[in-house]
Amino acid sequence: DAGITQSPRHKVTETGTPVTLRCHQTENHRYMYWYRQDPGHGLRLIHYSYGVKDTDKGEVSDGYSVSRSKTEDFLLTLESATSSQTSVYFCAISEGTSEAFFGQGTRLTVV
Amino acid sequence: QKEVEQDPGPLSVPEGAIVSLNCTYSNSAFQYFMWYRQYSRKGPELLMYTYSSGNKEDGRFTAQVDKSSKYISLFIRDSQPSDSATYLCAMSGEYGNKLVFGAGTILRVKS
Repeated sequence: DAGITQSPRHKVTETGTPVTLRCHQTENHRYMYWYRQDPGHGLRLIHYSYGVKDTDKGEVSDGYSVSRSKTEDFLLTLESATSSQTSVYFCAISEGTSEAFFGQGTRLTVV
Repeated sequence: QKEVEQDPGPLSVPEGAIVSLNCTYSNSAFQYFMWYRQYSRKGPELLMYTYSSGNKEDGRFTAQVDKSSKYISLFIRDSQPSDSATYLCAMSGEYGNKLVFGAGTILRVKS
């Protein structure tokens, strides 16, 4: 793996609770991304960051927020988890050449 | 209509067969094209990366891009059971821009 660590790897949470997923990189890449993967949909972009404190929305950003206070860390927060947010979440990094490298994923279940 | 269309399969072939995986897209601004391989419960790993039209070969893998037809392909020669995985096409239009993924094709190579 390209120096990307996601935590936690698995989480079960209750509807309505806040959840934060963490992505940590050791590659000093400028761009960081959060994707979710669901059967039949492939990978869909939630939010991405192009620098410290610089973030933008992807195609499925509703219900999610992100923060990037350091180059190496990109946090994804579900303010009030819903069952529709049960998914596998992947963090990715890129140095802007459009090749993205992925973490191992976080499996989130909202009950 | 999705920006990137990919047949989800599953595609089942005997060991040693030539495999052809394909994606079509609608956005003529796409310039960077990638193929990722994803094993079950793992993150996607980059297989091939091409810029604009043309062919690129790496071992048993060949990627083709036809921008005039908005069509990309991945060929796997002498397929092995270890090639059994989900193959995702991805593409982007600009430097550092977000990737758009196909839904992924499940490939099964039978020994």
